[in-house]
Amino acid sequence: ETVMTQSPVTLSVSPGERTTLSCRASQSVGTNLAWFQQKPGQAPRLLIYGASTRATGIPARFSGTGSGTEFTLTISSLQSEDYAVYYCQQYDNWPPWTFGQGTKVEIK
Amino acid sequence: QMQLVESGGGVVQPGKSLGLSCAASGFTLKKYSMHWVRQAPGKGLEWVAVISADGRNKYYVESVKGRFTISKDGSKNTLYLQMDSLTPGDTAVYYCAREGVGRAFDIWGRGTVVTVSS
Repeated sequence: ETVMTQSPVTLSVSPGERTTLSCRASQSVGTNLAWFQQKPGQAPRLLIYGASTRATGIPARFSGTGSGTEFTLTISSLQSEDYAVYYCQQYDNWPPWTFGQGTKVEIK
Repeated sequence: QMQLVESGGGVVQPGKSLGLSCAASGFTLKKYSMHWVRQAPGKGLEWVAVISADGRNKYYVESVKGRFTISKDGSKNTLYLQMDSLTPGDTAVYYCAREGVGRAFDIWGRGTVVTVSS
């Protein structure tokens, strides 16, 4: 099983700031890596797939980089609607498909 | 508009069974692999099961093997998850998700809540 580890667990960020979230895989997943955003009481929403491709309708302030075992999600200028929990997920080595434990982005 | 709507959740006693449904609209399940993902209260996301587009291949997370069964009905465009021998550890919001663009989970339902408690 490929274990996904996200850091940090919590990020305190002021509106307008740039922030970077990290995700590490226990073995190579190539670029088969997705990022999701989840707000309280809502389903996850796909932000990034293929490590760096924005999903339909996702603003350009969200960007993803990485390959192999190290990945990052960057939000260039945090907006009020971006405060949420973010999950990475690998879909290279399956089953099982595995998620990171999440990073909560909160208001500083 | 492409949409998934789950139903069938509820409160059930340990050891009992429950069946979940996920109705798809705006696209046909016959063309996509479909997944169930769950989220225990206050916890992260856990993949549960997948069924391939042609329905021939099914995989499960180890903790539900032999207890859960994933299936789909093309004529009803609906995905199912039959859950037997439920335990309190199965308490979660259950989401269905489409494996779509780039093999990512691109469409999710709003979830249905399953509570296993005596």
